[in-house]
Amino acid sequence: DGGITQSPKYLFRKEGQNVTLSCEQNLNHDAMYWYRQDPGQGLRLIYYSQIVNDFQKGDIAEGYSVSREKKESFPLTVTSAQKNPTAFYLCASSVTGVGEQFFGPGTRLTVL
Amino acid sequence: QKEVEQNSGPLSVPEGAIASLNCTYSDRGSQSFFWYRQYSGKSPELIMFIYSNGDKEDGRFTAQLNKASQYVSLLIRDSQPSDSATYLCAVPRTGNTPLVFGKGTRLSVIA
Repeated sequence: DGGITQSPKYLFRKEGQNVTLSCEQNLNHDAMYWYRQDPGQGLRLIYYSQIVNDFQKGDIAEGYSVSREKKESFPLTVTSAQKNPTAFYLCASSVTGVGEQFFGPGTRLTVL
Repeated sequence: QKEVEQNSGPLSVPEGAIASLNCTYSDRGSQSFFWYRQYSGKSPELIMFIYSNGDKEDGRFTAQLNKASQYVSLLIRDSQPSDSATYLCAVPRTGNTPLVFGKGTRLSVIA
């Protein structure tokens, strides 16, 4: 059953902690993306990767880090440097770096 | 000018009516356009894409593209309460880069 999985669904973090959000896809897509969604803000691009072992910053990369060691996986780390991390985080993938993107179910992060 | 603009709504239509959602974009070089539907608390799902000027129909959905005027619209015929969601328009940036999403239009279909 092909798709994109994200875990956990809900995540709670204390201030000053780093947390890592998981994103896995078995669609054999080359490109993967991380977005952040806040109420009324739409989707904002954090990082994207068009090929293994390469990634680029998006519009709001500060306070985040990623890795792309495997085609199937694109984890996002929210560091303590991110001042307002409470948001809905969405991972997406596409066949190549252009064209339609398909989304995972999302992770809702709350900072306590 | 923002890259992709949508009226945030809410747009309220009665059940059975046609819902019309509009999106304007700034990059004249854009070649492809995508519509996503997002239910509250869920992730976006792709419902339509269009590359050529004119209309593209898929069931109750019709996407309309006018490159000269730089707008793309989504029509939903015979609207149902289950169509109540936020609809996001997405356009690629120039070059081989990810999509830019509008903030979305919230549609409410009243039974």
